[in-house]
Amino acid sequence: DAGVTQSPTHLIKTRGQQVTLRCSPKSGHDTVSWYQQALGQGPQFIFQYYEEEERQRGNFPDRFSGHQFPNYSSELNVNALLLGDSALYLCASSLGTAMNTEAFFGQGTRLTVV
Amino acid sequence: AQKVTQAQTEISVVEKEDVTLDCVYETRDTTYYLFWYKQPPSGELVFLIRRNSFDEQNEISGRYSWNFQKSTSSFNFTITASQVVDSAVYFCALSEARDSSYKLIFGSGTRLLVRP
Repeated sequence: DAGVTQSPTHLIKTRGQQVTLRCSPKSGHDTVSWYQQALGQGPQFIFQYYEEEERQRGNFPDRFSGHQFPNYSSELNVNALLLGDSALYLCASSLGTAMNTEAFFGQGTRLTVV
Repeated sequence: AQKVTQAQTEISVVEKEDVTLDCVYETRDTTYYLFWYKQPPSGELVFLIRRNSFDEQNEISGRYSWNFQKSTSSFNFTITASQVVDSAVYFCALSEARDSSYKLIFGSGTRLLVRP
C-alpha cells in the first residue's frame, strides 16, 4: 500500500518563475493538505482540499494556489517565486476533514529559489 | 490565537539516557487534539500519537510515553533508554477546526541527538 507520494523530490527555480508540485494521497484517502516548512521551522499550513474544493486556507498570499483532481491527487502552484519561498513543501493526506483524523505525510518537495 | 511552543531547540543525550521533550500549547477551543510527529533526515513526518482534549490519561508505547496536563496546557513526550535511531526532529502539533475543516499548528520542533 503506497503512502503519500510527492513529486518532484527536489527543484531549483529562478525568482519570478512559476512552479507546480504534485501529491498523490495514501490509498483510500480523500483529503489533501499542503504545508510549507522553512529551514529550522515547523510546518506552516497552506491550504486543504476536499471534494475538489479548497476548504481552509492559511496565511499565504494568492500566489499560492492549488487544485484537487477527481482521483484525489493534488497540485500546489506558486507564481512569481520569491527567494523566501525556498522551503520543504509537505503534502498530507487523510480520510475526511475531522480534526481527529490522522494525517499521513509525504517526504516533501525541496524547493530552492535562486 | 492557537499556538504551540517547544522551548527546547536542541537536546543532546548519550544512548540509554531518558529524555523529555516539552510542549506547551494555547487554544480557546474546548475540543482539540494534540499530536507528536517525528521527522527523520528523509523529511517525512511520522505520526507518533494523537490525544484528544478530554482524555488526560497518560500513554505508554514501548519506550515512548506521553504526559498530558490540561491544567498547565502541556503535552510532554518522554523517550526511555534512548537509542541512536531516535535522533530526529520532533514536532508537537495542535489541531484547529474551522468550518468542518481542520489544520495542524506545529511548534518549531526539538532536534534530538542521541550519541553512542
